[in-house]
Amino acid sequence: EAGVVQSPRYKIIEKKQPVAFWCNPISGHNTLYWYLQNLGQGPELLIRYENEEAVDDSQLPKDRFSAERLKGVDSTLKIQPAELGDSAVYLCASSSGLAGGPPYNEQFFGPGTRLTVL
Amino acid sequence: GDSVTQMEGPVTLSEEAFLTINCTYTATGYPSLFWYVQYPGEGLQLLLKATKADDKGSNKGFEATYRKETTSFHLEKGSVQVSDSAVYFCARQGGKLIFGQGTELSVKP
Repeated sequence: EAGVVQSPRYKIIEKKQPVAFWCNPISGHNTLYWYLQNLGQGPELLIRYENEEAVDDSQLPKDRFSAERLKGVDSTLKIQPAELGDSAVYLCASSSGLAGGPPYNEQFFGPGTRLTVL
Repeated sequence: GDSVTQMEGPVTLSEEAFLTINCTYTATGYPSLFWYVQYPGEGLQLLLKATKADDKGSNKGFEATYRKETTSFHLEKGSVQVSDSAVYFCARQGGKLIFGQGTELSVKP
């Protein structure tokens, strides 16, 4: 079974440029997550989708970040314009079922996209 | 808000040494607890989990016990190998999955 696929794996851009990251979750997983991982820190949730609906985007900086999950399968996270402080690893994860009470469904993580903003 | 605190790294051990990585969590609600591992150049992988008090999660020789009275979920392994070198993350989930800052482990031959 294929895991969570992310592309690109690495991206280097100049500040003020736009950038987009793509994620394809595990087949059949209807919950998709985007996380931000700064160097030396644990991942922090940016947005969670259940099917095509963004059910938790409270930590997404909406002035420059946007995300979409058309048709409830793969997803794109965009930054426009990028700032120096956006340099980090962007992780995508997916899980089966819908988030709710325990026991919580395991989240499976992709390898991440490492963004460097110069 | 909810949080997870791990012992700071890096931790450097010799092969076959005993490993403990401390983790404490905020006790709001009834969270599930996890340890994830991130090998160099790879994504996060679930190492083990425990969903209620006194549960013991175990995998690949690693163990952690859900201690509600001390709000802890310490990771242990009796004899580490060079291949265990990685970054280990403790996490709690009460709805949202919240990670600690990670502890880097380096095992020398």
